[in-house]
Amino acid sequence: DGGITQSPKYLFRKEGQNVTLSCEQNLNHDAMYWYRQDPGQGLRLIYYSQIVNDFQKGDIAEGYSVSREKKESFPLTVTSAQKNPTAFYLCASSMGQEMNTEAFFGQGTRLTVV
Amino acid sequence: DAKTTQPTSMDCAEGRAANLPCNHSTISGNEYVYWYRQIHSQGPQYIIHGLKNNETNEMASLIITEDRKSSTLILPHATLRDTAVYYCIVRVNLRAAGNKLTFGGGTRVLVKP
Repeated sequence: DGGITQSPKYLFRKEGQNVTLSCEQNLNHDAMYWYRQDPGQGLRLIYYSQIVNDFQKGDIAEGYSVSREKKESFPLTVTSAQKNPTAFYLCASSMGQEMNTEAFFGQGTRLTVV
Repeated sequence: DAKTTQPTSMDCAEGRAANLPCNHSTISGNEYVYWYRQIHSQGPQYIIHGLKNNETNEMASLIITEDRKSSTLILPHATLRDTAVYYCIVRVNLRAAGNKLTFGGGTRVLVKP
């Protein structure tokens, strides 16, 4: 099946530790996105990438880092500099530069920092 | 970025049509309007999108005003499984930086029996 996979579904970490969230897609999409969602809120864009080896900051990039070494993978690292990392993280992908194509979302990773 | 404004919440009776409004008064000429919905604790699901013409698919219809400053998503026969948060999004073209999807707060739709 073609799709976008996030792992793990639930993740617990101690405060001060860096943690990396996985996002893999086999849709041959050029563009990939990371969003953060807090309880009762909408999605906020963290980082996005339109092509391999290139990415741009979204609206709330501070305390996060990404890499795009392969087309199918866009891992997100939540660093110790992120002041409030507990949230629901969503990854998405789309055809890229085309405006007329939808984005597909993964099922999310719920990160809890204790 | 083109911003969207949606009502915070709305109720709908099962079997009736649900009309969800969205304002996007700063939309640019080549920017599409997208609708997604999110059922609790899941990833958003694509519903429909359009540029300036009305669109219909198996899930919903999208009506875009002639000036493109607002749109309405229509769920023709709401079911209990349509209870979700519905997001209206304008896909912003950033030229060299590509394009991005920016989500607002959405409308929380509760379908009641």
